[in-house]
Amino acid sequence: QVQLRQWGAGLLKPSETLSLTCAVYGASFSGYSWTWIRQPPGKGLEWIGEFSHSEGTRYNPSLKSRVTISTDTSKNHFSLRLTSVTAPDTAVYFCASGPVGSGPWYNYWGQGTLVTVSS
Amino acid sequence: QSVLTQPPSASGTPGQRVTISCSGSSSNVGSNFVHWYRQLPGTAPTLLLYRNNQRPSGVPDRISGSKSGTSASLAISGLRSEDEADYYCVAWDDSLSGGVFGGGTKLTVL
Repeated sequence: QVQLRQWGAGLLKPSETLSLTCAVYGASFSGYSWTWIRQPPGKGLEWIGEFSHSEGTRYNPSLKSRVTISTDTSKNHFSLRLTSVTAPDTAVYFCASGPVGSGPWYNYWGQGTLVTVSS
Repeated sequence: QSVLTQPPSASGTPGQRVTISCSGSSSNVGSNFVHWYRQLPGTAPTLLLYRNNQRPSGVPDRISGSKSGTSASLAISGLRSEDEADYYCVAWDDSLSGGVFGGGTKLTVL
């Protein structure tokens, strides 16, 4: 049974860097894609980016200049870094995973982390 | 504005059949699988259908999906109160090289 547990700072000031980590239990990194998705309050879902061993790292073009997704295989973690945050980056951020090469099909989700950007 | 287009709301009475549409383009729905998620308030989305019409284990067969050209749809028959939720479609977009979601449809069971 794969489980994802995520954590990170929930309150940021404008221009700071968002940093979230997702721990993976019950799976290794190969064979899966590891993804970050966000949801502004009261709004829909937005795909941020993903990592897989076979495809590498891919990002939403609208966020690409500010986003980095990285992995730490020794700890079975993957992380999201979003620089220069502003109020529109306020959202619940989810980590998610699914079979590699199958597109945005995610069987497993983290619990979500609300990140608020406010001065 | 979302790349995939869904109606913002849908409704039905218990026992009815409702459908939710998802419209895209040749670079996403037209050339890739569509997947569907259900989201209850305050929780993470859960996978409802994958690869257009495949149900994960535990999803009842009154949930179905289809795709034709650049449009896809989710159908729920025998509507129940617990089906009241937000529903999202998503597909890979070859032009953007990323996933694109629909704006979501809020289903109300009257």
